[in-house]
Amino acid sequence: GNSVTQMEGPVTLSEEAFLTINCTYTATGYPSLFWYVQYPGEGLQLLLKATKADDKGSNKGFEATYRKETTSFHLEKGSVQVSDSAVYFCALTEYGNKLVFGAGTILRVKS
Amino acid sequence: GAVVSQHPSWVICKSGTSVKIECRSLDFQATTMFWYRQFPKQSLMLMATSNEGSKATYEQGVEKDKFLINHASLTLSTLTVTSAHPEDSSFYICSVLTGTTYNEQFFGPGTRLTVL
Repeated sequence: GNSVTQMEGPVTLSEEAFLTINCTYTATGYPSLFWYVQYPGEGLQLLLKATKADDKGSNKGFEATYRKETTSFHLEKGSVQVSDSAVYFCALTEYGNKLVFGAGTILRVKS
Repeated sequence: GAVVSQHPSWVICKSGTSVKIECRSLDFQATTMFWYRQFPKQSLMLMATSNEGSKATYEQGVEKDKFLINHASLTLSTLTVTSAHPEDSSFYICSVLTGTTYNEQFFGPGTRLTVL
């Protein structure tokens, strides 16, 4: 079945540091890929998405590129802020519209 | 994107009682909603798919008699936790399937259930 693997956290960075959160996936077909962010005590917010190979999703300074050859969708940001502290989930959806989530990666940004 | 609300945002109840959680799509008519459960510091687990006008589809291992789902209209789905026990304490999150090209889901803010 489909699955998503994320790097384990927590990831702790200083403000303005470069962020990478790795995400790889296993799917039988051609999934759509997503990054969601969850702030403490809240639901999930869609951060960015990509629907086909080589697509780059971007939002609020975050980027991720759909790499079919490496089955990856790594999340990056050039300069993190304290307000980026949250849990980040990589996810995919294929047939039946069901989202399959990774385990989530906690990001902590120190000032 | 769709705006999704949940009510209540948190609830504390005694063991053995039933709790109803509402999920509303405020600006979009949703034929399909999803219910997820999230344990502390863990990922989301899909519980069931809620379809307007028909029975919900439950994921394997989810007790349909314990977690009753009713999708009464295109803007409202409810999850009732029946005869709640402490192990049912969790964060319950719903989402709305928008049916766009990318089949995006938009999530509610979640409901924190604590069973004493």
